[in-house]
Amino acid sequence: EPEVTQTPSHQVTQMGQEVILRCVPISNHLYFYWYRQILGQKVEFLVSFYNNEISEKSEIFDDQFSVERPDGSNFTLKIRSTKLEDSAMYFCASSVSAADSPLHFGNGTRLTVT
Amino acid sequence: QKEVEQNSGPLSVPEGAIASLNCTYSDRGSQSFFWYRQYSGKSPELIMFIYSNGDKEDGRFTAQLNKASQYVSLLIRDSQPSDSATYLCAVNNAGNNRKLIWGLGTSLAVNP
Repeated sequence: EPEVTQTPSHQVTQMGQEVILRCVPISNHLYFYWYRQILGQKVEFLVSFYNNEISEKSEIFDDQFSVERPDGSNFTLKIRSTKLEDSAMYFCASSVSAADSPLHFGNGTRLTVT
Repeated sequence: QKEVEQNSGPLSVPEGAIASLNCTYSDRGSQSFFWYRQYSGKSPELIMFIYSNGDKEDGRFTAQLNKASQYVSLLIRDSQPSDSATYLCAVNNAGNNRKLIWGLGTSLAVNP
């Protein structure tokens, strides 16, 4: 069964550094998402992406964050100048369509900012 | 503020019993409802989704939706120890089908 893949599984970085989290969505999916989950808290929406542009972003997704689809398969989340509070599990997801289509999640990247 | 609420548990049931998980949501215009299972340290895994009032069955799982009362539930029949996990309820943001609002999850423990 096709799956969403994310790399790395764990990333440790120092405060103020830039990180890039990578995702390969399911190949026939058209909608891509980043969510995050701080330990012990709810899953939170960050951003959705369709047709090479952001469809919607949350209040969390400020100028510190950016997304890109640099080629036909990868979907990346860049966090500039990381903060301690950025430490979380970051999940990439994809779906076939936007309307009511279930999201399929990758295994996540655990980001630890020290 | 649109909210999704779940009893955090833990809900403890013996093996073979029925586990009942509940979720309420605040946005009356919500259209789509999802149940995900999450093992500790892992990503959410889709269990079921439901769009219409009533029941939807898939194997040992039954999702129930009541839009008038703004609740959705998940029943797990013949519970197995491998069902022990946190169950997350997610609801689409009315007006934007791309953004899910999540509950904190209910921790389920199935005791052999």
